[in-house]
Amino acid sequence: AQSVAQPEDQVNVAEGNPLTVKCTYSVSGNPYLFWYVQYPNRGLQFLLKYITGDNLVKGSYGFEAEFNKSQTSFHLKKPSALVSDSALYFCAVSGIGSSNTGKLIFGQGTTLQVKP
Amino acid sequence: EAQVTQNPRYLITVTGKKLTVTCSQNMNHEYMSWYRQDPGLGLRQIYYSMNVEVTDKGDVPEGYKVSRKEKRNFPLILESPSPNQTSLYFCASYNRDSYEQYFGPGTRLTVT
Repeated sequence: AQSVAQPEDQVNVAEGNPLTVKCTYSVSGNPYLFWYVQYPNRGLQFLLKYITGDNLVKGSYGFEAEFNKSQTSFHLKKPSALVSDSALYFCAVSGIGSSNTGKLIFGQGTTLQVKP
Repeated sequence: EAQVTQNPRYLITVTGKKLTVTCSQNMNHEYMSWYRQDPGLGLRQIYYSMNVEVTDKGDVPEGYKVSRKEKRNFPLILESPSPNQTSLYFCASYNRDSYEQYFGPGTRLTVT
């Protein structure tokens, strides 16, 4: 069965420091991987995706993520955190295959707290 | 502007009183789905639809119904809500070309 794990409920980082939000996955076949962000009282916003190609993908708001097939990981990173990055972050996987239904399996979410 | 809309945004109801949460998208996407979000569990898929009149169960379908009579609309129906359906609900629309899901703003439901 497909699954996604975000091992940290919360990540705290000082503004200006680099940040990492961890994600590991378990899926048969080639995974399609995503990061979404949820600000308070808002819906989920797409940050970035890995479908194929370069293992380092860049997304919105200066975020990037590295796909590591051997470690089955897709950690979210940013070189310099901003207070406005504070939000709830979700990693998700989709084993799309031929049906391409787009069904997402989500991790439990990680709250990122950036302090001034 | 491409968007997914949901109504209502907030709803407090009592056990057993039927309710419907509407969802509409303006992107002409074929695939739509409903998720519920619960603390510590992330989002879980309730139902999905691959096109008009084509719907199927997701991972947590018990207690819910859906319909897809028009491509743009995908309402979620709770025939007899119970307190364990208190949750935050999201409708999503899927772009098959970009592999991206577009989420609505969410509906916070409380069943007492």
